[in-house]
Amino acid sequence: GAVVSQHPSRVICKSGTSVKIECRSLDFQATTMFWYRQFPKQSLMLMATSNEGSKATYEQGVEKDKFLINHASLTLSTLTVTSAHPEDSSFYICSASPGGGGYTFGSGTRLTVV
Amino acid sequence: AQKVTQAQTEISVVEKEDVTLDCVYETRDTTYYLFWYKQPPSGELVFLIRRNSFDEQNEISGRYSWNFQKSTSSFNFTITASQVVDSAVYFCALRLMNRDDKIIFGKGTRLHILP
Repeated sequence: GAVVSQHPSRVICKSGTSVKIECRSLDFQATTMFWYRQFPKQSLMLMATSNEGSKATYEQGVEKDKFLINHASLTLSTLTVTSAHPEDSSFYICSASPGGGGYTFGSGTRLTVV
Repeated sequence: AQKVTQAQTEISVVEKEDVTLDCVYETRDTTYYLFWYKQPPSGELVFLIRRNSFDEQNEISGRYSWNFQKSTSSFNFTITASQVVDSAVYFCALRLMNRDDKIIFGKGTRLHILP
């Protein structure tokens, strides 16, 4: 079946540094990928839609300069949290649609900023 | 605007009891998909089911069953003979069949199955 691989699964970084999260579609091509953020005991909130070869589309209230998205190929999208702060600590999860109306999600990245 | 409501924030039942998780959705579109996902403590999202708006047939898969009723805009999920391993957060979600591929999640229901 369609698989989306997300790395790293956990990362701890110091405040002020940047962190890159990768999302790869392993057995299908994804022109569009989606990035979600989930705070503890809350739902998944869509942050942005990543489009291969073009700029990402950000949801209202999401800072595009803080959450840099790059979708340089049909199988890879990256989310970089720049100048991370403790309030950016969250669970980040990506997804892509292999077609047929369904979605495949990565296993998520738990980011802790200290 | 589209919306998914899971009114039950948290449910606790004793093992072997049946439990139903409610999901009500709102959309003006006539073509859409509905989903249920399970999120265990490890965090990954486990796909359970996808239903399109043309197919109102109920579905059973082992101990899981789903009741889709367009008349009430509901897509409820029942676990029969619950087990401790069913403990997780369950999300209902909606996606429109248009060029905007966004999937909209409900707030989730945290299910505790007590031994």
